[in-house]
Amino acid sequence: QVQLVQSGAEVKKPGASVKVSCKASGYTFTASYIQWVRQAPGQGLEWMGWINPNTGDTHSAQRFQGRVTMTRDTSINTVFLELSGLTSNDAAVYYCARDAGPAFGGSFDIWGQGTPVTVSS
Amino acid sequence: DIQMTQSPSSVSASVGDRVTITCRASEDIRGWVAWYQQKPGRAPKLLIQSASTLHSGVPSRFSGSGSGTDFTLTVNGLQPEDFATYFCQQAESFPRTFGQGTRVEMK
Repeated sequence: QVQLVQSGAEVKKPGASVKVSCKASGYTFTASYIQWVRQAPGQGLEWMGWINPNTGDTHSAQRFQGRVTMTRDTSINTVFLELSGLTSNDAAVYYCARDAGPAFGGSFDIWGQGTPVTVSS
Repeated sequence: DIQMTQSPSSVSASVGDRVTITCRASEDIRGWVAWYQQKPGRAPKLLIQSASTLHSGVPSRFSGSGSGTDFTLTVNGLQPEDFATYFCQQAESFPRTFGQGTRVEMK
């Protein structure tokens, strides 16, 4: 079945970096953009950026530019999100989601299970 | 950035009730709205795309309407599994933005 499976929970110290992976299966990996969204505890959803798995092109929200790196490895159908300079404000669950594309209203139709990131000294 | 203002922030309802959630965009987004359901500890699930198109497998008691700046998600005949938090999202432009969420609680 179509699914996105993310890497496990992370605990990082302030100032460190975290790298989250998102492995796609059940569909053509290069056919759909992957979006990254995060959710702080008890808060709403915050869009972070997208990657085109076919070309490797990326675009991130302005507030994360300079701190976020999105990459992909087509040999293992996996995309990665790396966030540097972590602070306590970055503690959240990080989700990857498949962009269904303009034919489906630009919605996010498949989500990973989420990767909790804790930032603590 | 396009702001999505969702209301109410929470609603208390009973099984069988009709629940309506609204989302207002800060500018015209035509029909580029999606609605998601999220349960505690779980990832969001797509319910509706393009303002009114039901996603595959979603029960027909869910419906969406609206265009331009005002959008509505309606649940007709609330079921026990529908107690959750609901989010709207605009897909007109980047950055994608979400409403603050509406928590549907049991009365």
